[in-house]
This record gives sequence, C-alpha cells and structure tokens, in this order.
Amino acid sequence: EVRLVESGGDLVQPGGSLRLSCAASGFTFSSFAMSWVRQAPGKGLEWVSTISGTGGTTYYGDSVQGRIAVSRDNSKKILYLQMNNLRVEDSAIYYCARAYRSDWFDSWGQGAQVTVSS
Amino acid sequence: EIVMTQSPVTLSVSPGERATLSCRASQSVASNLAWYQQKPGQAPRLLIYDAFTRATGVPARFSGSGSGTEFTLTISSLESEDFAVYYCQQYHKWPPYSFGQGTRLEI
Repeated sequence: EVRLVESGGDLVQPGGSLRLSCAASGFTFSSFAMSWVRQAPGKGLEWVSTISGTGGTTYYGDSVQGRIAVSRDNSKKILYLQMNNLRVEDSAIYYCARAYRSDWFDSWGQGAQVTVSS
Repeated sequence: EIVMTQSPVTLSVSPGERATLSCRASQSVASNLAWYQQKPGQAPRLLIYDAFTRATGVPARFSGSGSGTEFTLTISSLESEDFAVYYCQQYHKWPPYSFGQGTRLEI
C-alpha cells in the first residue's frame, strides 16, 4: 500500500523558514517524480513544486519561485520542501503527492499545516 | 499557462440523481486531464485520469469524457458519500500543473 506521511508543519512568523518532510512507503520511491500541492484555507488546490525521481530536475510555481527548494533522499525515501522568506499568503495545508508518469497525482499524504502569522 | 475553469461552482443534486460537472481548458490539453474528489478534512483522491480512465477502486458510477478543451465528469446515481468538492487538473503542458477552482456537489 502506498503511504505518504507529511511532517514539519508549524506556526511561523513572516520572513521565517520551515522545512516539511514527506516519508514514503509501499512503492519504489526513486522511480517516481514527487510533488507538493498546497491548499489555502477555504480555497482550491495549487501546485507548488515537483522533483524528478533521481532528484536531478526540479520545478516550481511562480508564486514560490526563489523562496522554496524541493529535494529528496531516495535512500531514506523522504521528500523535503524547504521554505524560506515565508509570507502570510503561504499559509496552507501542504500535501505531498506521487506524480504518476509525472502526470496525474495518484497518491496523496494527509497534509501538513503551515501557518504564517505574526 | 493553461487556465482550467470549472462549472458550476456549486451543484445541488438529490441522492439517486445524475450529476454532471464541467471543466474547460483555456487551450487544448488533448486527453491529459484528471479529476479528483475531496471531502472535508481529507486529502484529494484521484478519480479519473487520461480524461476517462477510472483510478483503482473508483466505482463505475463515475465516468469522465471529453478531449481538447471541454471535459465532463458524470456521476450516474449519486450516493451520500459522493457529496464533496471535485477538481479537474491538466498535465498536458507543465510546469505549471493547473487545477480548476473546484465544483462543490451538495445535497
């Protein structure tokens, strides 16, 4: 069974930093691109970032470009999202998701709550 | 960037009735479209990919159709567990992946 478990969500002040983790199990982690998708309170889904299976290629949404970095440790089967210079508008639930064929998101974690507030 | 637009924003339907949800792309996405269901407090769940292929475990009452710029998700006979928010997502041209704003299906 595919399982994705996020951790690291927290309350942080504007301008602060946070690192989210996503522990994967139940599949060959290195064979799949992985993504982060976020959802602001009461809003829809917004794609944030994707990383290739090897970790050699990364992609970012315009709203977070330059402030976040996605990485992965295939030996530990963990996906990371380093977020810097956080803004109030970054407050959201952050989901990690497996990107099947780098296309659709076929498995999702339960989400990590990030709140940016002074 | 491809913009996805869903309609209606809210759809009120009775159990046992058919629900038809629409998704329109700002340019052709061929058949590179997925549908997700999200219930309150839960993560999204994949329902349909490649416009019409049901994901594993998805009941047959869910069906997807369309190609190019116009897509439809149909739920043939609504059950109580189907009342949720539904999102479409294109993966034809990315980055960025883009989602529709969602359709809330309510009783």
